Amino acid sequence: DTEVTQTPKHLVMGMTNKKSLKCEQHMGHRAMYWYKQKAKKPPELMFVYSYEKLSINESVPSRFSPECPNSSLLNLHLHALQPEDSALYLCASSQALFGFGKNIQYFGAGTRLSVL
Amino acid sequence: SQQGEEDPQALSIQEGENATMNCSYKTSINNLQWYRQNSGRGLVHLILIRSNEREKHSGRLRVTLDTSKKSSSLLITASRAADTASYFCATDQKRLSGGGADGLTFGKGTHLIIQP
Repeated sequence: DTEVTQTPKHLVMGMTNKKSLKCEQHMGHRAMYWYKQKAKKPPELMFVYSYEKLSINESVPSRFSPECPNSSLLNLHLHALQPEDSALYLCASSQALFGFGKNIQYFGAGTRLSVL
Repeated sequence: SQQGEEDPQALSIQEGENATMNCSYKTSINNLQWYRQNSGRGLVHLILIRSNEREKHSGRLRVTLDTSKKSSSLLITASRAADTASYFCATDQKRLSGGGADGLTFGKGTHLIIQP
């Protein structure tokens, strides 16, 4: 099973709402990632979790709050977002420790978020 | 910051022709990967080439890497309509020492259209 499942597929929220994006994988991967992708742009890294601990935060605003409750699950809590945060949010997973050749990432289909 | 720069940004060819996409990057790398994305969905890993390799094949894909020029190319031979997608090169930026999980930095991408 090489699947990463993201829910919901689509989300519309107001600027005062609180919502969460969810990501799940059962490949035994101990590294999980959040990326943000604007239309016609490449994905941009937001967060990296390694062994359920946050290891990289790419200076993401605090209105995005990641959480990794266990080795299979990754959440992204959203609060007081702005319209410019509208984007496709992608989750990925990979092996956590790698030398050459193991940082191959498996992506979910993404959550398309619209902030009104 | 954008590590990779793809060239061309858009490419339209006839089915059966070969498609070549190029990528340049700025910093030293462990390896370089190519991913495909269909119509705003998740990314799919295609092929990985290590920094000590110069060429790699996988089915109809051929990747080259020139570390002296910090560039890579992806060749898709005998293209099919199903190859229509966006193609991104990606590198890991060695954000952490010790070989731990690292996010990918993607190039701007090439949108490939295969005309039937």
